[in-house]
Order: sequence, then C-alpha cells, then structure tokens
Amino acid sequence: ELKVEQNPLFLSMQEGKNYTIYCNYSTTSDRLYWYRQDPGKSLESLFVLLSNGAVKQEGRLMASLDTKARLSTLHITAAVHDLSATYFCAVDSRETSGSRLTFGEGTQLTVNP
Amino acid sequence: KAGVTQTPRYLIKTRGQQVTLSCSPISGHRSVSWYQQTPGQGLQFLFEYFSETQRNKGNFPGRFSGRQFSNSRSEMNVSTLELGDSALYLCASSLLGKGFREQYFGPGTRLTVT
Repeated sequence: ELKVEQNPLFLSMQEGKNYTIYCNYSTTSDRLYWYRQDPGKSLESLFVLLSNGAVKQEGRLMASLDTKARLSTLHITAAVHDLSATYFCAVDSRETSGSRLTFGEGTQLTVNP
Repeated sequence: KAGVTQTPRYLIKTRGQQVTLSCSPISGHRSVSWYQQTPGQGLQFLFEYFSETQRNKGNFPGRFSGRQFSNSRSEMNVSTLELGDSALYLCASSLLGKGFREQYFGPGTRLTVT
C-alpha cells in the first residue's frame, strides 16, 4: 500500500523567513503533485513533478523531486502572509492504470507578520 | 474553459438517509475521480470512473457507490448515512493520457450528517 508522509504537519513562520516542507512516499512513482488548500476551499494545483530531478518554481515556492530517495520538497522563500494555507503533496501510483492520488497528511502553514 | 462543477455545494442530511452528489468535469475530460476529506482521515480516494466504467476503487464500504454517464458527468451516492460520513467530497477530472494525468478539482460538496 502506498504511503505518503509529510513533515512538518504544522509550521508557523515569520514573514521573510525561508523553510522547507518534506514529502516522503513509499513506492516507486514519478508523478508527484503539490496542492494548496485555503480554509473551506478546494484544492489548487501548484506543481506537477514528472521525473527524477524535476524542479519547478512559481513565485516564492519551489518544488523538487528525487525519485531515488522517494522524496519531494516544497521550499518557501521569504514567506509572506498570503502563503498561509495547508499544503498537500500527492503521489500517483504506477500500480494502477487509472488516476488514483494518495495524499499526505497536509502541512498547515501560518505566516505571521 | 469552465472548471469542474459540483452540486450541491452544501448538504445537511440525517443519519440513515441517502444522498446523491453530482460532478460535471471539464469539457473533454473523460476521467472523474472522487475523494473524501475529513479532519481525522485526511484526503482519501473513493473511486474513479472512465468511459462509464469504474476503473479504480478505494477502501470504502459498499454504501458508497458511483456512476458515470455518457457525457462524462458523474454522481456518487451514499446510502444509510452515518455521522462519520460528514466530510468535504471533492471531485476531480482529468484527460485520458498515458503517464501524466493532472487532476483538476471542483469546489467540493460539504455534507453534514446529523
């Protein structure tokens, strides 16, 4: 059974600081997704990482994928309050022919002024 | 292009009742997946439909069922509702394709069971 673990689960940081969220998964996969969820809202796609060594950046967020280590990171640079949200990573297992995402527990990020 | 739509957005039901939720995928998308989100269990995969056939199923009891119509619209049904079924139900659609299948999520249906 595919397992996806995120850490930390809760992250409180000050504006202007940097931090990294980690996502470990338990089985071979080369499709990893990062989503953002605001309270009471749906999931917003942030990044899709499709190969080993993939790196994508959007604004203050940068995501990377190491399929050999089964690890993805979401790095936050110079955080601002608007980044406060819950961030999920999700893995699409190769074991199924269709679409079946397994999500991490989510990291609740709070950026304080 | 319109996004994924879900109806209704909010629903309150009583234990023992049944409920039907609807999802309309992005035009041209033929795969529809359903997920349940609760504070305790997080986001969990329910099932996926493609071309009116269930292609994948998660670990949920038989009270949870779904179907897909020829226009790719999908419904999920929960019978004999329990308090624990209170959750945000998210639908996602994706294009058929090999390998990469990015999923686009709808706004969700918030179900409260009392």
